[in-house]
Amino acid sequence: DVKVTQSSRYLVKRTGEKVFLECVQDMDHENMFWYRQDPGLGLRLIYFSYDVKMKEKGDIPEGYSVSREKKERFSLILESASTNQTSMYLCASSFGRETEAFFGQGTRLTVV
Amino acid sequence: GNSVTQMEGPVTLSEEAFLTINCTYTATGYPSLFWYVQYPGEGLQLLLKATKADDKGSNKGFEATYRKETTSFHLEKGSVQVSDSAVYFCALSDGSSYKLIFGSGTRLLVRP
Repeated sequence: DVKVTQSSRYLVKRTGEKVFLECVQDMDHENMFWYRQDPGLGLRLIYFSYDVKMKEKGDIPEGYSVSREKKERFSLILESASTNQTSMYLCASSFGRETEAFFGQGTRLTVV
Repeated sequence: GNSVTQMEGPVTLSEEAFLTINCTYTATGYPSLFWYVQYPGEGLQLLLKATKADDKGSNKGFEATYRKETTSFHLEKGSVQVSDSAVYFCALSDGSSYKLIFGSGTRLLVRP
């Protein structure tokens, strides 16, 4: 079974902190994604990566950056956390084009 | 651009009732189509998929048929259980990139 593991289930951070959300997949997938999920807004793509060191902006990249130094790991960085970044963050991975994505269990981030 | 439209929720049913959740899409070309399920506090899990017109995806009693003529991929189940209570997302693969495009999700509540 594909496993996508996010480093934390729950996280509480203070406004202005630099926050790292980590995601690891064990199936040698090329593509990795970060989404955020908010009530009434569904899933919105923040960033994705189709190869090591490659990244592309999704629909809502402002206030976020990403890092992919190794194929299995994709990190989401909040440079200076703000309260409007309180959300559920979902990491996913997939192989190739037009294939299903496999999701991690999610990280619920609260910024106070 | 490509998009997915799902029926608004919540959908409330009694146990053993018939379920339909509507999903229509707009896409160029021939995307693959997916249904995902999200249980409370969890990430998304792939429920079923279909990769070409007239394909029927099925899993755990759920079914959906890829209808190109009506650009639809409606989810059905003949007899729902309380344990089916979750949020269901319809999605399509954007073949021109690596992304999945999600609908807004439909919450299903099944009462005993």
